[in-house]
Amino acid sequence: DVKVTQSSRYLVKRTGEKVFLECVQDMDHENMFWYRQDPGLGLRLIYFSYDVKMKEKGDIPEGYSVSREKKERFSLILESASTNQTSMYLCASSLGPDRGYTFGSGTRLTVV
Amino acid sequence: KQEVTQIPAALSVPEGENLVLNCSFTDSAIYNLQWFRQDPGKGLTSLLLIQSSQREQTSGRLNASLDKSSGRSTLYIAASQPGDSATYLCAALELGKLIFGQGTTLQVKP
Repeated sequence: DVKVTQSSRYLVKRTGEKVFLECVQDMDHENMFWYRQDPGLGLRLIYFSYDVKMKEKGDIPEGYSVSREKKERFSLILESASTNQTSMYLCASSLGPDRGYTFGSGTRLTVV
Repeated sequence: KQEVTQIPAALSVPEGENLVLNCSFTDSAIYNLQWFRQDPGKGLTSLLLIQSSQREQTSGRLNASLDKSSGRSTLYIAASQPGDSATYLCAALELGKLIFGQGTTLQVKP
């Protein structure tokens, strides 16, 4: 089975810090995605990437950036963390649209 | 803009009951539809993937159907068990992106 690994289950960061959330997949998937999940708002797409060095904005990219230097790794960067970025962050990967998405176990980020 | 809706938001049933979870979408031009399960504080686990050309998919006690013309999908769970308690999310794939419903939180009582 494809495995999508998010490096941290829980993180606590201070306002203004630069935060890196890491995601690694082990099955040579082209497509990778970052979502955040909040009560009452559901899952919202932040950024996605269809290839190395390539990135596209999702629905809520403000305050975030991404990096994809290698195919297997897709990093989400909070340039200057704010309390409204406290959320559950979920990474996903996909081989293609007919294969479905595989999600990681999530990172619960708290910004204080 | 594609919108995905799941009704009901919450459901409580006794163990052993068969149940149906509903998912509707506004734009029928979807590539596929995927059902996920999420346990509290955890990530999403894929249950079933239905391609746009398919009508249904089955895995064990789960059966998912897709009717693109009416913009609906259902997830049927047979002989429910307490271990089925979780939030179930449907998501439509359109233009390379998954669009999620808000989910149905299921509680199966022993």
